[in-house]
Formats: sequence, structure tokens, C-alpha cells
Amino acid sequence: GESVGLHLPTLSVQEGDNSIINCAYSNSASDYFIWYKQESGKGPQFIIDIRSNMDKRQGQRVTVLLNKTVKHLSLQIAATQPGDSAVYFCAENSNTGGFKTIFGAGTRLFVKA
Amino acid sequence: DTAVSQTPKYLVTQMGNDKSIKCEQNLGHDTMYWYKQDSKKFLKIMFSYNNKELIINETVPNRFSPKSPDKAHLNLHINSLELGDSAVYFCASSQGESNQPQHFGDGTRLSIL
Repeated sequence: GESVGLHLPTLSVQEGDNSIINCAYSNSASDYFIWYKQESGKGPQFIIDIRSNMDKRQGQRVTVLLNKTVKHLSLQIAATQPGDSAVYFCAENSNTGGFKTIFGAGTRLFVKA
Repeated sequence: DTAVSQTPKYLVTQMGNDKSIKCEQNLGHDTMYWYKQDSKKFLKIMFSYNNKELIINETVPNRFSPKSPDKAHLNLHINSLELGDSAVYFCASSQGESNQPQHFGDGTRLSIL
């Protein structure tokens, strides 16, 4: 299933399935994008990043896709595990009025065992 | 071996009081940040410092005053606390101002009575 990151929507997936979390970013001049995972009671934790000269980057079980034409970013998690349950944020870096990281609204991922 | 540590973890106080939150990072980073996360999980940058110099101040009320005694520390002092200041405050650090992931502390939950 898919979800657009506004007003903290929730994405519920079965353990073992793949998850796709989507994000629309705001500034066409942004050149660096990051996905963070935030578990309850913790700070955001870096997962994966991508620069604007790429459209895909893979990590361990995670893939980030960047579509600059429509200002869209997605995070794919393969074989989702209960430990992946968290709030996921996309973030963009832009240089408007100083280098600044702007966070999206977040998506809560709930993994059913 | 905590990378970014902030104290206290919880802060409960009355309206009108003055309080401080401390942050230290042992990653050798030169840039530090303060973020505010509201009850809807929205994360917003407040301040960023590079090598002890203020580089971003996101229209935060003057009651909030960051202080960076050295590049490993960025403390946040808040005067005349208001009900709307209730939130979770996160400190973060990165190497350089741009195009690098940020490392976050575990947050300080501030509750104003």
C-alpha cells in the first residue's frame, strides 16, 4: 500500500511485505534529500540519503527513489519487519536564506506480525 | 558512547518560569541545531550554529536564546515560558551545513503547567 505524508497518515503492512512511503517535497531547488526513522521516545535516525543528480539509491533493505520532475520522493522497505514500525520523515536541504533542512509531515508505519 | 546527548529528558515547569536545555555532541561535528516537534510530530528548525556562529534563526521568539560555548555544545535557554512552548525539543549535529545527514539527540519533553 501507499501513503502520502500529510497530517501523519498511517501505513499498515503485514510482516514480510514490502512498504512504500511517499513524500512530496516543496522546493525545486533542493539538492539533497534524506529519510529519517523516528521510534517512540527517540530522536530521528538517518536511514538513507540521495543527491539531486541521482534518481535511485539502495541501502540494506531500503531504496530511495527521487523524481525531480514532480518533486516526489519515496522510501521502499523490503521484507518489512516489526522493528521497522516507526514514524518516517522525508527531509530536503535547500539553500534559501541559508542552508536549511525542511522536514515533511511524517508517515507512521505499523507492521502487523 | 552517546553521540548527541541532551539534558534533561523531561522538563515540567510552570508558565512564566525560565529554563535551559543542554546539548552536547561527541562526533566532532561543526554544526549544531535545535528543532521543535509539536504534538502532531511536525519537526521545525529553530536555530543552527556553525563553529559557534549563528547561521539560521527561524523567526523564533526572543524568549528563546541559544548559546554555543564551543562547537561541541549548543544550549537552549527559554525565558518566560508559555503554554504554547510545550513540545519535544531536539538537538542535532552534522559535519558541515549542507548535504550531510544530521544526528539527533533523544529529545527533551517540555511540559508547561
